Amino acid sequence: QAQLVQSGVEVKKPGASLKVSCKASGYTFTKYGISWVRQAPGQGLEWMGWISTDNGNTKFAQKFQGRVTMTTDTSTNTAYMEVRTLRSDDTAVYYCATDLWISGAYYYAMDVWGQGTTVTVSS
Amino acid sequence: QSALTQPASVSGSPGQSITISCTGTSSDVGAYNYVSWFQQQPGEAPKLIIYEVTFRPSGVSNRFSGSKSGNTASLTISGLQAEDEADYYCSSYTRSTTWVFGGGTRLTVL
Repeated sequence: QAQLVQSGVEVKKPGASLKVSCKASGYTFTKYGISWVRQAPGQGLEWMGWISTDNGNTKFAQKFQGRVTMTTDTSTNTAYMEVRTLRSDDTAVYYCATDLWISGAYYYAMDVWGQGTTVTVSS
Repeated sequence: QSALTQPASVSGSPGQSITISCTGTSSDVGAYNYVSWFQQQPGEAPKLIIYEVTFRPSGVSNRFSGSKSGNTASLTISGLQAEDEADYYCSSYTRSTTWVFGGGTRLTVL
């Protein structure tokens, strides 16, 4: 059964960088792409971007282009999301989520989610 | 890319049906049949309950159903139960090959 386990709570100062990890298990890592989604306190979900775990191709929401990097390490089945130049409004829970595949077919949806990583940006 | 529009809150009594709307544009909801719905309980990660407008993942109750007309998608929950009380989010794939979420709807079971 597919599972994503994310790294722990982070507290950062404005201007610092953040790197969140998302370790996959229970499936072939390179088969499902991974999206990153964040949720500010009391707010809705915000899609940040997607990475192909097969070839490393990425796609970002326009507001994160240039400030966010997504990478994978296929030797450890882990995806990473880095945010640079943190601001207070980056305070949020960050989630990773796999693409949806059913019986070998790809479907347009985010399926298995990590437990979330709480990030606080404060001076 | 602007967020999709959902009502902030809906409510219903046990056993009733409720519908949550999700309005986008011809560049997202209206462009493809790639609308998903997620249920989020407090303190938990979102859970996929509807994908590609009408399909339910294995294990999701058939009380949840989805539909779409033009630029508006809808989630209907029939036979409302106390456990359905949660936040619900729609999302849509877009012509820009990105995803966009709705602002979320808080469902209260009276």
